[in-house]
Amino acid sequence: KNQVEQSPQSLIILEGKNCTLQCNYTVSPFSNLRWYKQDTGRGPVSLTIMTFSENTKSNGRYTATLDADTKQSSLHITASQLSDSASYICVVSAPAGGSYIPTFGRGTSLIVHP
Amino acid sequence: GAGVSQSPRYKVAKRGQDVALRCDPISGHVSLFWYQQALGQGPEFLTYFQNEAQLDKSGLPSDRFFAERPEGSVSTLKIQRTQQEDSAVYLCASSLTGPSYEQYFGPGTRLTVT
Repeated sequence: KNQVEQSPQSLIILEGKNCTLQCNYTVSPFSNLRWYKQDTGRGPVSLTIMTFSENTKSNGRYTATLDADTKQSSLHITASQLSDSASYICVVSAPAGGSYIPTFGRGTSLIVHP
Repeated sequence: GAGVSQSPRYKVAKRGQDVALRCDPISGHVSLFWYQQALGQGPEFLTYFQNEAQLDKSGLPSDRFFAERPEGSVSTLKIQRTQQEDSAVYLCASSLTGPSYEQYFGPGTRLTVT
């Protein structure tokens, strides 16, 4: 069964600090991996998307890495801001023609304190 | 441009009532998805449409759940005889092409069954 595991489940950091969120997956075959940010009461918004041939992708202060061999990804947030407080969800997809269903992780809840 | 919209944003139903949740995808998007998100969890797949065809409904938890997209644009998720365990946020997402591509989420409908 395809699975996506995220850690930690929750994280509290001080404003200005960096943090790294982890995602391990068993989805196979693999097409792409996305990180979403979900603010409370809103739908998820895409941060990055990587195919199996990409090792890293940046979007402002967000940098995602991917190791397709070990099936691990991380999302690094630099110089955190209060607005970074949200849930971060890792999503892994199979190739078109394979499973239609992207597999979602449960998310990491990040709280940034002033 | 307009994003994915959902209505109502909040719905309170008494146990046993029927509810209908609406999703307006981004214009021109072929694929449409429904997800159920329990508190503190990641989205769980319910069903997937490509145009008006419902290609996958394996995630619908029971025969009380029914979804349609008759003209290939607006979709309705109907829940009959609601039960307390149906309380969740129901997210709709659309993508321009297939399910492995970028999905754009609506804000969700929070359903509370009392």
